[in-house]
Amino acid sequence: DQQVKQNSPSLSVQEGRISILNCDYTNSMFDYFLWYKKYPAEGPTFLISISSIKDKNEDGRFTVFLNKSAKHLSLHIVPSQPGDSAVYFCAASGNTGNQFYFGTGTSLTVIP
Amino acid sequence: EAQVTQNPRYLITVTGKKLTVTCSQNMNHEYMSWYRQDPGLGLRQIYYSMNVEVTDKGDVPEGYKVSRKEKRNFPLILESPSPNQTSLYFCASWSSGRTHTDTQYFGPGTRLTVL
Repeated sequence: DQQVKQNSPSLSVQEGRISILNCDYTNSMFDYFLWYKKYPAEGPTFLISISSIKDKNEDGRFTVFLNKSAKHLSLHIVPSQPGDSAVYFCAASGNTGNQFYFGTGTSLTVIP
Repeated sequence: EAQVTQNPRYLITVTGKKLTVTCSQNMNHEYMSWYRQDPGLGLRQIYYSMNVEVTDKGDVPEGYKVSRKEKRNFPLILESPSPNQTSLYFCASWSSGRTHTDTQYFGPGTRLTVL
C-alpha cells in the first residue's frame, strides 16, 4: 500500500511560470518530508526538505508547503526554467530517520 | 568529491545465477540503503544499514541479502535472481538517522535485467 502518493504523473509548464507539484501521504507518524529531483540515467538528488513542525520552507526558487491536517505537501518552483525539467519524487520518513517512503514521481517539463 | 558509486551500471543475467551489486561511499556515512525503482511504484526501500554489522529490512526485502562488513561498502546480493527482480536499483547513504537535517546521497543506479 502506497503511503506516499503523487497523483500527477506528468506536468508541463511554460518557462517563467510557476510549477506546482503535489504529494499526499497517509501515515500521520511521518515527521520529515523531502523532495528529490532525478534526471535520466542519474540517481535522485536532494532538493529541499521540511520538518513537520513547520508549514513552509524556502530555498531560492523552490518552496515546499506542508499541510499536516490534510496530509499534503507541495513543491513550488518560481520561475520555472528549462533545466528544471526532470522527475520529482517526494519522500517521507518517521522519527527514526531509517526508513524512507517515496512517491511514484511527477515528470516536469518546462517549455522554453 | 563526495559520491556514492555502484557497480555494475548495467547487468543482464539469467534466472538463478547469483549476483552481487556493489555500493561504496566516501563520505564516512553511518547509514546506507538499497532501493529499487519500478514504473508506477516509485522507489521502494529494500534494506538499510545503520552501521557496520547492523542491517534491517525495508519494504521489499524478499529475495535480497545485504552485508555491511565495512563502513564504506554495502553490497546487494541476489542469491537466486528471478525475472520479477528486473528493476533499476539505487544505493544511498546518509550520516544520521536522528537529526533529520541529513539527506540521502544516491548512487547513479544499476539497471538489472533477469531473463
